[in-house]
Amino acid sequence: KQEVTQIPAALSVPEGENLVLNCSFTDSAIYNLQWFRQDPGKGLTSLLLIQSSQREQTSGRLNASLDKSSGRSTLYIAASQPGDSATYLCAGNTDKLIFGTGTRLQVFP
Amino acid sequence: GAVVSQHPSRVICKSGTSVKIECRSLDFQATTMFWYRQFPKQSLMLMATSNEGSKATYEQGVEKDKFLINHASLTLSTLTVTSAHPEDSSFYICSARDSSGVQETQYFGPGTRLLVL
Repeated sequence: KQEVTQIPAALSVPEGENLVLNCSFTDSAIYNLQWFRQDPGKGLTSLLLIQSSQREQTSGRLNASLDKSSGRSTLYIAASQPGDSATYLCAGNTDKLIFGTGTRLQVFP
Repeated sequence: GAVVSQHPSRVICKSGTSVKIECRSLDFQATTMFWYRQFPKQSLMLMATSNEGSKATYEQGVEKDKFLINHASLTLSTLTVTSAHPEDSSFYICSARDSSGVQETQYFGPGTRLLVL
């Protein structure tokens, strides 16, 4: 059974810092791994999707990497801004998406 | 991009009543949809996989007689919470799988917030 864990559970930083959010999964037979953002009381916004054959994906200030053999993915946020404050979820896809425990990020001015 | 809608977005009901939530894929056909539940400050938990024209597949611990799923068409899946109780209050999110492209993609609905009094 796939289990997805995220570290840290919460993070509070001043704006401008570069951040690394970690995601680990137990079943390496994933098709892909996705990172999502969720604002309080809202649905999900897809940020990045990394196929199992890929090592990383980039979108603007976001960069996600995937290491299937070690069961890890990281989301790198460069030059964080207060607008980045949200909960970040990773999800491993083995025919169904299993979500991680989430990292609640607060970036203060 | 592809859009998935949910209706209603918010519902308040009395304990013991049944509530139906609709999930629609608006511009693609989805043979497979998924239902998730999210409690406050927790992650999304997969409840069941909804398959068009066949029975849903429920995750361990999810009561299939309490959470009825119907996927009668390629663009619509419904989740009915039967005899709802306060502990069923949660944020329910559906997703639909688009298999028409080179790569399969899952699109998420905006969620339905259920409050059972």
